[in-house]
Amino acid sequence: GAVVSQHPSRVICKSGTSVKIECRSLDFQATTMFWYRQFPKKSLMLMATSNEGSKATYEQGVEKDKFLINHASLTLSTLTVTSAHPEDSSFYICSARAGGLNQPQHFGDGTRLSIL
Amino acid sequence: QQQVKQSPQSLIVQKGGISIINCAYENTAFDYFPWYQQFPGKGPALLIAIRPDVSEKKEGRFTISFNKSAKQFSLHIMDSQPGDSATYFCAARGGANNLFFGTGTRLTVIP
Repeated sequence: GAVVSQHPSRVICKSGTSVKIECRSLDFQATTMFWYRQFPKKSLMLMATSNEGSKATYEQGVEKDKFLINHASLTLSTLTVTSAHPEDSSFYICSARAGGLNQPQHFGDGTRLSIL
Repeated sequence: QQQVKQSPQSLIVQKGGISIINCAYENTAFDYFPWYQQFPGKGPALLIAIRPDVSEKKEGRFTISFNKSAKQFSLHIMDSQPGDSATYFCAARGGANNLFFGTGTRLTVIP
């Protein structure tokens, strides 16, 4: 089946650091990629949607200057958490979809971000 | 506002029993209803999905029942196994590509 690889799986860093998370579709071309945030024992909250070569569309309440998303190719999207603070600690999950709405979303294994 | 409501929050089932998780939605524009299984420290994995023109879909031990008029759908896991212990999320797809997730059900299957 379709594979989405997310890296790193875990990162711990000091407050004020910027952290980049990569999301790759390994065996298909991802026209659309999604970034989610999940708090412990909670549901997934969509942060933003990005189409290859276009600016990301952010959900209400998500700071686009804080969470920079780049979708430069059909197999790679990156999320950069700029000047991260302890409240940004969370589980970040990407997903990717090939083609149109009838295609399923495939999820990566997530990145556990811990800001000290 | 929670677009998709899911219950129960947690569920304990004996091995071999039936696990039932329920979801409800309000937006009649939703056109696709997937269920995801998530193990700790992992991303969600698509388990089974249904479209609103179908009332039931079965794949192996997993069945989705869909009631369009009631705007409800449920996941049934037959012959539940300890390996099924995970968190299950229902979801509904609306406009602009968005998937709206339920709040999750933590299933524990005891031997």
